[in-house]
Amino acid sequence: GAVVSQHPSRVICKSGTSVKIECRSLDFQATTMFWYRQFPKQSLMLMATSNEGSKATYEQGVEKDKFLINHASLTLSTLTVTSAHPEDSSFYICSVWASGNEAFFGQGTRLTVV
Amino acid sequence: GNSVTQMEGPVTLSEEAFLTINCTYTATGYPSLFWYVQYPGEGLQLLLKATKADDKGSNKGFEATYRKETTSFHLEKGSVQVSDSAVYFCALTPGGYQKVTFGTGTKLQVIP
Repeated sequence: GAVVSQHPSRVICKSGTSVKIECRSLDFQATTMFWYRQFPKQSLMLMATSNEGSKATYEQGVEKDKFLINHASLTLSTLTVTSAHPEDSSFYICSVWASGNEAFFGQGTRLTVV
Repeated sequence: GNSVTQMEGPVTLSEEAFLTINCTYTATGYPSLFWYVQYPGEGLQLLLKATKADDKGSNKGFEATYRKETTSFHLEKGSVQVSDSAVYFCALTPGGYQKVTFGTGTKLQVIP
């Protein structure tokens, strides 16, 4: 089955710096990838839909200039948290659909901004 | 819009007890329904799914039946183990290649 690899699994950064998170589809090509965010003790909320070769589609309330998404190839999407602040600390997870039947999720990235 | 409501946790059970986690949904049409599990420190894993009314998804002793008439997809297991301790998410999607809408998650703790 499809395997989605996300890197890094954990990252700690200083306030004001930027952090890049990678999401790779290992088994097949994905024209669309999804980025979710999970706040502590809460559910996962969709942040944006990453589209290969075009601009990402952001959900209402998500700052596109803060959360930069690049989907440069059919197997890689990146999420860059720019000028990170402590309130950006969260669990970020990407998702890829395989054959329209099942959504596979990456391992997630725990971001801590200090 | 679509939404998923699941019972709040945490749920604490003794080993070999019966488990039920309630899940109801609101959606137009005929969404696909899922249960995902998140073990401590890990990402999401698909536990089971059902794509049409009256379908029963099952895996690792867990079961859930797609009930269109009650818009429910309750998760059950007859005998839980300590290794089942995790957070369980009920979810839906209108169809393939679309966003997944999650419930708030239910933390299950199984004690020996």
